[in-house]
Amino acid sequence: SQTIHQWPATLVQPVGSPLSLECTVEGTSNPNLYWYRQAAGRGLQLLFYSVGIGQISSEVPQNLSASRPQDRQFILSSKKLLLSDSGFYLCAWSAANSPLHFGNGTRLTVT
Amino acid sequence: KQEVTQIPAALSVPEGENLVLNCSFTDSAIYNLQWFRQDPGKGLTSLLLIQSSQREQTSGRLNASLDKSSGRSTLYIAASQPGDSATYLCAHLQGGSEKLVFGKGTKLTVNP
Repeated sequence: SQTIHQWPATLVQPVGSPLSLECTVEGTSNPNLYWYRQAAGRGLQLLFYSVGIGQISSEVPQNLSASRPQDRQFILSSKKLLLSDSGFYLCAWSAANSPLHFGNGTRLTVT
Repeated sequence: KQEVTQIPAALSVPEGENLVLNCSFTDSAIYNLQWFRQDPGKGLTSLLLIQSSQREQTSGRLNASLDKSSGRSTLYIAASQPGDSATYLCAHLQGGSEKLVFGKGTKLTVNP
């Protein structure tokens, strides 16, 4: 069966520090991979998605970047965090026309 | 811009009631529509997926319907239980892309 792992579960970082969130999927090949952010009181905002290794689509210009170094690995990064980067970050995967499966999320607080 | 609207934003019902959550969307060329459940501080769990060629899907006490012509989907929960308390989100796959467009969700509270 397919599983998705996302870590860490919580993170507190100072403004200006770097960020690296990692997501891995097991049990499937060539999944579509997604990073979403959910801010308090707001809906899910798609940040990045990838349909293959090295293929990254950015939805919102911002302080973040994403990379897909391996087929089932998706990384969200920042060189210098801003206060506005605080939120709940969710990784997800899907196969063609199948349900989207989410990880458990990372609660990021930038202080 | 494709939009998904969920009404109401919050709903509180007594245990045992049947209830309907609503989702409306502006994109008539959707590929599929999905319903998710989110518990506080957790990720989203997929409940039901309706392909664009289907009218409804059922899983246990849940039934989701899709009416593309009117741009609406409903999630029907039968005999609600306190364990059903969560935020329910709908999302559709944009035509010609791999991106899901989400509504902001309906927060459901089922009181014992």
